[in-house]
Amino acid sequence: DQQVKQNSPSLSVQEGRISILNCDYTNSMFDYFLWYKKYPAEGPTFLISISSIKDKNEDGRFTVFLNKSAKHLSLHIVPSQPGDSAVYFCAARAPGTSGSRLTFGEGTQLTVNP
Amino acid sequence: GAVVSQHPSWVICKSGTSVKIECRSLDFQATTMFWYRQFPKQSLMLMATSNEGSKATYEQGVEKDKFLINHASLTLSTLTVTSAHPEDSSFYICSARVGTLRQYFGPGTRLTVT
Repeated sequence: DQQVKQNSPSLSVQEGRISILNCDYTNSMFDYFLWYKKYPAEGPTFLISISSIKDKNEDGRFTVFLNKSAKHLSLHIVPSQPGDSAVYFCAARAPGTSGSRLTFGEGTQLTVNP
Repeated sequence: GAVVSQHPSWVICKSGTSVKIECRSLDFQATTMFWYRQFPKQSLMLMATSNEGSKATYEQGVEKDKFLINHASLTLSTLTVTSAHPEDSSFYICSARVGTLRQYFGPGTRLTVT
């Protein structure tokens, strides 16, 4: 049962334009959502998170939007830069789980072309 | 920031042998660490939650006798793949929890079993 899904395995955008990465979830009990960025042969690095009680969180070029009614979140990167090319994972946490267990989506490979 | 290291970064072993992977939190103490496995073009699959001073909690379908986890100190957790087989070849990533939400990931270990 895939509770967190990223339906687009890849996305290609031009440098300077907006990148929009999408994520859907099924578990309405998730209370936090996180986005991680991963380069090949490296561990994921944290980008940005959002609480389920909010609908937007912004940090520099990165903005995460949450639509609880649609069980959908998205990560906007603007302007996109070639260095943003990586795999992006969304992750979600269910409250009360021991050790803050996260459930990850399958990832989306973002390629930003110069 | 919080730094997590893994050793080795890659290892090749023969079928039937055991391999130990170390995960260290370098500049903070982590009572909880997590072990993930990632197959090519797939999501991070949580294998187990490692708690300092107690037994690890394994996810459904993960053989605890095959994947031995020890979390003997607040800065070190180890994963031992016992009697490794080619199907155990994968990318293994650990993370350490800071606070109640954020996880900082190690760089991963590429295991190849021949």
